[in-house]
Amino acid sequence: AQRVTQPEKLLSVFKGAPVELKCNYSYSGSPELFWYVQYSRQRLQLLLRHISRESIKGFTADLNKGETSFHLKKPFAQEEDSAMYYCALGTRQLTFGSGTQLTVLP
Amino acid sequence: EPEVTQTPSHQVTQMGQEVILRCVPISNHLYFYWYRQILGQKVEFLVSFYNNEISEKSEIFDDQFSVERPDGSNFTLKIRSTKLEDSAMYFCASSFNRDRGNTIYFGEGSWLTVV
Repeated sequence: AQRVTQPEKLLSVFKGAPVELKCNYSYSGSPELFWYVQYSRQRLQLLLRHISRESIKGFTADLNKGETSFHLKKPFAQEEDSAMYYCALGTRQLTFGSGTQLTVLP
Repeated sequence: EPEVTQTPSHQVTQMGQEVILRCVPISNHLYFYWYRQILGQKVEFLVSFYNNEISEKSEIFDDQFSVERPDGSNFTLKIRSTKLEDSAMYFCASSFNRDRGNTIYFGEGSWLTVV
């Protein structure tokens, strides 16, 4: 069975500080992983996916198959990054982690 | 940018009543989904729909749930006899295909409260 674990429910950092949101997964095949973001009262939006190896809004995530991780990182957090972040696994149906609420303090 | 739209944004219903949640997927998308999120819990997959039939469903999607594409644009989720535990945010989503690298786009959600 596939599973996604986000160990931190809440994460606070100061503006300009680096941020890392952790995601670990369990999947027997070749995983496809995503980060979705949900700003206050808005829809779930795709932030990035491992297959395209892109950087969106300064965020990056590297798939580490050895550690079964897909941590989301940004070197300098901004206040507008405050949101709920969900790691998700799958293609035909997504399995979500429980989410991490990121608060960037001024 | 095209968006998935959902109505209603919030519905309160009495236990035992039928509820229909409506969604308009992105127009050229072929795959449609419903997910739900009970307050404080994970977003969970309910069902996927393609070519006018269910392609996958989870254990949550039991006989009280049904989906339909009644016309060329709408995609609905019906809950036949609502229970208190059906209170949740229901997200509709759509995608063009299901290949690797495919993006699933979500609507803003319909918040269902069963009293």
